[in-house]
Amino acid sequence: EVQLLESGGGLVQPGGSLRLSCAASGFTFSSYAMSWVRQAPGKGLEWVSTVSGSGVSTYYADSVKGRFIISRDNSKNTLSLQMNSLRAEDTAIFYCAKDRSSASVFWGQGILVTVSS
Amino acid sequence: DIQMTQSPSSVSASVGDRVTITCRASQGISNWLAWYQQKPGKAPKLLIYAASNLQSGVPSRFSGSGSGTDFTLTISSLQPEDFATYYCQQANSFPRTFGQGTKVEIK
Repeated sequence: EVQLLESGGGLVQPGGSLRLSCAASGFTFSSYAMSWVRQAPGKGLEWVSTVSGSGVSTYYADSVKGRFIISRDNSKNTLSLQMNSLRAEDTAIFYCAKDRSSASVFWGQGILVTVSS
Repeated sequence: DIQMTQSPSSVSASVGDRVTITCRASQGISNWLAWYQQKPGKAPKLLIYAASNLQSGVPSRFSGSGSGTDFTLTISSLQPEDFATYYCQQANSFPRTFGQGTKVEIK
């Protein structure tokens, strides 16, 4: 059974940093690209970042480029998102997702990140 | 960046109705389009990938069509569990972009 479990969310002050993790199980982790997608309160979905299965290729939304870093540890079946210089507009539920055929075929339950003083 | 525009933004329908949601890309994306369903407080769920391919386990009343810039998601006979918000997403190029969502409400 595929499982994705996000952790690391919480309350952080503007300008601060936070690292999200996503523990994957139930599939061959290294064979799949993985993505982060977020949803601000009451708003729609926003794609944030994608990393290839090997971890070599990474892609970012313009809104987070230069502030967020996506990475993966295939030996530990873990996806990460290092978020720096956080802003109030980064407040959202962050979902990790398993990609296949250029779609996000399975999603975690999401983790809330709140940026506020 | 490719912009995705969904219409309508909301639709009121009854159980048994046929519902069609449209998604338009600002430039051609071949068939690199996915549709997701999201219920309140839940993670999105993939319904359709590559414009017309039904994800495993998704009821056959859901179907997708289109290519290039214009795409549709059709629910042939709306069921109570289908009341949700639906999003399209292009996967032709990065940054991947979502439509703004279409809320399907009970009439």
